[in-house]
Amino acid sequence: QQQVKQSPQSLIVQKGGISIINCAYENTAFDYFPWYQQFPGKGPALLIAIRPDVSEKKEGRFTISFNKSAKQFSLHIMDSQPGDSATYFCAASGASGTYKYIFGTGTRLKVLA
Amino acid sequence: DAGVIQSPRHEVTEMGQEVTLRCKPISGHNSLFWYRQTMMRGLELLIYFNNNVPIDDSGMPEDRFSAKMPNASFSTLKIQPSEPRDSAVYFCASKSGQSSNQPQHFGDGTRLSIL
Repeated sequence: QQQVKQSPQSLIVQKGGISIINCAYENTAFDYFPWYQQFPGKGPALLIAIRPDVSEKKEGRFTISFNKSAKQFSLHIMDSQPGDSATYFCAASGASGTYKYIFGTGTRLKVLA
Repeated sequence: DAGVIQSPRHEVTEMGQEVTLRCKPISGHNSLFWYRQTMMRGLELLIYFNNNVPIDDSGMPEDRFSAKMPNASFSTLKIQPSEPRDSAVYFCASKSGQSSNQPQHFGDGTRLSIL
């Protein structure tokens, strides 16, 4: 019940295309869903986050769509650029009143120039 | 603003040796997390502290691992004795506030290689 399932494991997109990464969770007690971006040799950096009381959040080219009934959320990267090539992790937090993140397994995105 | 600072960035040592990883959280943050990242297991939470007190160490793999947070600005993760299977990237993260929906801020990690 603590798992967060992330797909796909890897993704190749043409420059200007839309990248979509999906995550699913089971524990309805989660109340915070961040996405992190990680470049090689660097730590994960917060990209965008959402709470379950909204269905969508947009920041620039990055959008989170949240489906509470389906217990799914996804990251959409519009107009994908080669500089977006990185590993993306979804996470969920808030269950059991703790600050623990449960991370997905990551998606390696490559945007072709 | 200074982010989370980890040292050393790289560590190579022989099995059986003691390894100490260090972390300076962002000033004012009251929660600190140690993670391990490997290709096989992804990002694993090892332990986290709140107000310098260990809250959950259920992710610490075995007694060879220990972590301390003597004050709000410093934490260590120690492995003694180290083994080749401990080779991984170890991250420290910190957050502020008392709710789950404050983001964790990660350092750039320590790449540990045990020969």
